[in-house]
Amino acid sequence: DAKTTQPPSMDCAEGRAANLPCNHSTISGNEYVYWYRQIHSQGPQYIIHGLKNNETNEMASLIITEDRKSSTLILPHATLRDTAVYYCIVRVLAPSGSRLTFGEGTQLTVNP
Amino acid sequence: KAGVTQTPRYLIKTRGQQVTLSCSPISGHRSVSWYQQTPGQGLQFLFEYFSETQRNKGNFPGRFSGRQFSNSRSEMNVSTLELGDSALYLCASSFRSSGGSGTQYFGPGTRLLVL
Repeated sequence: DAKTTQPPSMDCAEGRAANLPCNHSTISGNEYVYWYRQIHSQGPQYIIHGLKNNETNEMASLIITEDRKSSTLILPHATLRDTAVYYCIVRVLAPSGSRLTFGEGTQLTVNP
Repeated sequence: KAGVTQTPRYLIKTRGQQVTLSCSPISGHRSVSWYQQTPGQGLQFLFEYFSETQRNKGNFPGRFSGRQFSNSRSEMNVSTLELGDSALYLCASSFRSSGGSGTQYFGPGTRLLVL
C-alpha cells in the first residue's frame, strides 16, 4: 500500500470547518483513499473513502485532487467531539489488500 | 445493526501466561482482522480470517495466533505473554468478496496489561 504523509497536529475552532490534508504521491490507480479517526483509547471509526471522485456523507467530505496525489478531509462544522487522531490510509481492494496500514495520523484538537 | 463487539474489554495477566480474546463481527460480515496498538509501534496488523481460514498475516511471532468459527466469530490467542504484549487489541470486521475486503469496522478493543 502507498505511504501517506499527514501533519502531526492541527487546531480548529468549534463551529468552523476542519480541513485535514493528506499526501499520497505514490498512490496506484487501483488504490482507494480511506479516512478513519480514533478518539482516545477507542477503536478507530470509519469516516469516508473514495477512489477519484469527491465523496460526501453525513460525517465529512473527501476531496481528492485530479492527479490523486493528495486529498483533504473536510469536517464542515467541527465540534469538541471531533477531537481525535485522524488517519489517512490508501489501500487496494483486493484479497491481498485486506490489511490497513496506519501511519501516525493527525491529532485534531477542536477548541471552544 | 449491532457493531463489532469484543470481550473482555480489560484484562490483566502476568508474564508467561496465555490469553484469549474474543471478537464478534457485524452480522453478515465474514472477514475478521486483528490489530495491535501500542504507544511505540502504533496500530499494526496481526492477521485476517475469512471462512475459518487465515488469509493474511502481519509480522508478529508465532506466539500470536487466531481462529475463526463457522459463525464468523473469531478469537486470538497470545501464549507466553511478555511485558511488551501490553496493548490495545482491536478487531475489525468487513464484508469480503472475491474482489477483496471491503470497509473495515472496528470494535472498542481489549486493553491487555501484562505485569
